[in-house]
Amino acid sequence: LAKTTQPISMDSYEGQEVNITCSHNNIATNDYITWYQQFPSQGPRFIIQGYKTKVTNEVASLFIPADRKSSTLSLPRVSLSDTAVYYCLVGEEDDYKLSFGAGTTVTVRA
Amino acid sequence: GAVVSQHPSWVICKSGTSVKIECRSLDFQATTMFWYRQFPKQSLMLMATSNEGSKATYEQGVEKDKFLINHASLTLSTLTVTSAHPEDSSFYICSARVRRVTQETQYFGPGTRLLVL
Repeated sequence: LAKTTQPISMDSYEGQEVNITCSHNNIATNDYITWYQQFPSQGPRFIIQGYKTKVTNEVASLFIPADRKSSTLSLPRVSLSDTAVYYCLVGEEDDYKLSFGAGTTVTVRA
Repeated sequence: GAVVSQHPSWVICKSGTSVKIECRSLDFQATTMFWYRQFPKQSLMLMATSNEGSKATYEQGVEKDKFLINHASLTLSTLTVTSAHPEDSSFYICSARVRRVTQETQYFGPGTRLLVL
């Protein structure tokens, strides 16, 4: 499983854009990149998944450079309710075991 | 997205008793489910992979005789913590693997808080 590295914490203010970059230097050819959000005492919630270039949904955008050794989750116009831990994970399609790192604690202030 | 439920959401038990936690996929079938454990202020740790109709695959360091996993149907996996002790107190979370044409994802349940007295 490819190991991921992401910042331990990030602070932001309401209405700002938050960008969290994750490094995964050993990503394999078949690996997808998935981001989850977790609130205290809840299970992780799927945010977005991508393989290359850019993926956008109603919640976030995911930017993946050509070498795929990193990815950036972009949360537009965050609100207080976006305060959570965000996990970047890399997994292989046929053996989809996820290895959770420490995640990034995002704190949004008013 | 796919919905995964867990029951119970929390449980308190005495040391030495066994506790069963259910994980259900509500609107889809899941041939593969996963069980995780999360201690306070720590990340999720994968305990085992549960495959429908076959034995579970446990991660290194997880006692298979203590954490019994049964995946008897395509929508239900159960985790039984046998002879629970206080050190087993934790947040247990299951997930179900969803495979679609353009995406493969795990969807997580809400978690079960276990407190062993």
